[in-house]
Amino acid sequence: EVQLVESGGGLVQPGGSLRLSCAASGFTFSSYWMSWVRQAPGKGLEWVANIKQDGSEKYYVDSVKGRFTISRDNAKNSLYLQMNSLRAEDTAVYYCAREVYDFWSGYPLDYWGQGTLVTVSS
Amino acid sequence: SSELTQDPAVSVALGQTVRITCQGDSLRSYYASWYQQKPGQAPVLVIYGKNNRPSGIPDRFSGSSSGNTASLTITGAQAEDEADYYCNSRDSSGNHPLFGGGTKLTVL
Repeated sequence: EVQLVESGGGLVQPGGSLRLSCAASGFTFSSYWMSWVRQAPGKGLEWVANIKQDGSEKYYVDSVKGRFTISRDNAKNSLYLQMNSLRAEDTAVYYCAREVYDFWSGYPLDYWGQGTLVTVSS
Repeated sequence: SSELTQDPAVSVALGQTVRITCQGDSLRSYYASWYQQKPGQAPVLVIYGKNNRPSGIPDRFSGSSSGNTASLTITGAQAEDEADYYCNSRDSSGNHPLFGGGTKLTVL
């Protein structure tokens, strides 16, 4: 059974840092692109960052470029999101999700974790 | 970059058919995927590719596409289908996912 379990969320002051983790199991983690997607309270889904299987390609939404860093450790079946210089507008539930990197499938995110809440407030 | 546009809210009578649409230039190049999200829960993939359903998704859910518009159709909507629905495609660069703003479906 595919499982994605996020951790590391919490309350942080503006300008602070937080590192999110996502533990993957039930599939060959090193074979998949992975994404972080966030959802601000009462708002829609927003893709944040993704990373290729070997970590050689990484992409970010413009609003987090230079502040967030996505990484992975295939030996530990884990995905990470280092978040620095946090702002109030980064407050959201952060989900990790598995990407199916296939054109004919439409590149869906087929499995999602339960999410971890990040609150940026003084 | 690019955008995907969805109607904010749609309603359907119990047992009737409803279509939820998603518009965007990227849909001319990439298939859409659709996700159902209920309050307090993570999104669940319901349709991907041309018209594929993951295991466990009822066959009343179907997808279609024409030009820059993708559609999710629920044939015979049930009370448990009341949820937020998000479309997803690829950014124009092809490098990362892109989400629509979501449609809140109410089953009357």
